[in-house]
Amino acid sequence: DGGITQSPKYLFRKEGQNVTLSCEQNLNHDAMYWYRQDPGQGLRLIYYSQIVNDFQKGDIAEGYSVSREKKESFPLTVTSAQKNPTAFYLCASSITGEAGELFFGEGSRLTVL
Amino acid sequence: GENVEQHPSTLSVQEGDSAVIKCTYSDSASNYFPWYKQELGKGPQLIIDIRSNVGEKKDQRIAVTLNKTAKHFSLHITETQPEDSAVYFCAASRGGLTGGGNKLTFGTGTQLKVEL
Repeated sequence: DGGITQSPKYLFRKEGQNVTLSCEQNLNHDAMYWYRQDPGQGLRLIYYSQIVNDFQKGDIAEGYSVSREKKESFPLTVTSAQKNPTAFYLCASSITGEAGELFFGEGSRLTVL
Repeated sequence: GENVEQHPSTLSVQEGDSAVIKCTYSDSASNYFPWYKQELGKGPQLIIDIRSNVGEKKDQRIAVTLNKTAKHFSLHITETQPEDSAVYFCAASRGGLTGGGNKLTFGTGTQLKVEL
């Protein structure tokens, strides 16, 4: 079945440690996205990539980094510079970078202790 | 940048009644307005979307209306069922690869509860 796979589903880390969240898609989509979801704040865009080897900052990119070396993969690193990293992280993809349906993964919940 | 406001934050209706969720946006250049449904523990899923060249779109029990002059759009669910219980998000974007593409700005969500 085609879809987006995020891993791990739950992750615990100590303060000051970097952590990388995995996102893989087999939909052959050009564009991929990372969103952060906090209670009462909706979804906020962290980074997005419209094509391989290119990505742009979203609204809340500080303290995060990404790479897009393969079409299928868009990993997100939450660095120690992110002041409030505990959140639910959602990865999504779309056929192109133009306006259209986003297909979301099931999310990764990161808790920093 | 774009700012999307969504109301109400929670909505409780009786099964069979209608539910309406409203959103306003600030960027007059926005031209794509999707609605997503998120069930507990899952990622959001698109349920309907509308582009700025139409004022209304229907899909079975779901409809979306858009008023570009007033910069607001609404989701209407008729004959609600228990499986409609979820969090609903509206969103807006400018569309086009250079105009912001699929860079969606989301509302803060509405928790819909359909009671038996």
